[in-house]
Amino acid sequence: DQQVKQNSPSLSVQEGRISILNCDYTNSMFDYFLWYKKYPAEGPTFLISISSIKDKNEDGRFTVFLNKSAKHLSLHIVPSQPGDSAVYFCAASANNQGGKLIFGQGTELSVKP
Amino acid sequence: EPEVTQTPSHQVTQMGQEVILRCVPISNHLYFYWYRQILGQKVEFLVSFYNNEISEKSEIFDDQFSVERPDGSNFTLKIRSTKLEDSAMYFCAGGKGQGTYEQYFGPGTRLTVT
Repeated sequence: DQQVKQNSPSLSVQEGRISILNCDYTNSMFDYFLWYKKYPAEGPTFLISISSIKDKNEDGRFTVFLNKSAKHLSLHIVPSQPGDSAVYFCAASANNQGGKLIFGQGTELSVKP
Repeated sequence: EPEVTQTPSHQVTQMGQEVILRCVPISNHLYFYWYRQILGQKVEFLVSFYNNEISEKSEIFDDQFSVERPDGSNFTLKIRSTKLEDSAMYFCAGGKGQGTYEQYFGPGTRLTVT
């Protein structure tokens, strides 16, 4: 079951540059998308979300873009900082509040000083 | 800022034994979930719980699994007879609902079945 896919297992970026993490989905019923950050031995931490009625949502250094026609979303981190180094998961939910989240496999981001 | 807490942080058990994983969700959350992550794999949904009953469960959540919210604050996951393949990180999560979809996760319990 690969409804949510993150095709890049890892990404390395220089401090101060932009990090772009990508996510694709197949289920047209998904109407809400979330990004989580996870450190080893910790639970996922909610970062930012976007509803399917929008194409962009911004929160400080983090911006999520949604392209519904391509079933693609991306997370931009600008400027990247060493503390951003973690595994980033994209997750999706289908048109009911309280519904389960379907996660991608995650992308490990490494921000080098 | 309120947090989801989980105990124990690490549980080692022998195959066939029962385990209970405990969670204290954030007090104003109405929806509760268990997820698990087998080492190297994605986070997988197990079960959701709302209004004191299961609202959805995955194929993984078979008769060996059960959930309870016995006292309005704790939320537990019981595995009746553990198998080697139950070894994973188990995460409790909660959400407010009310038009929001965000779920907030606890730190997890690492379950090791030997």
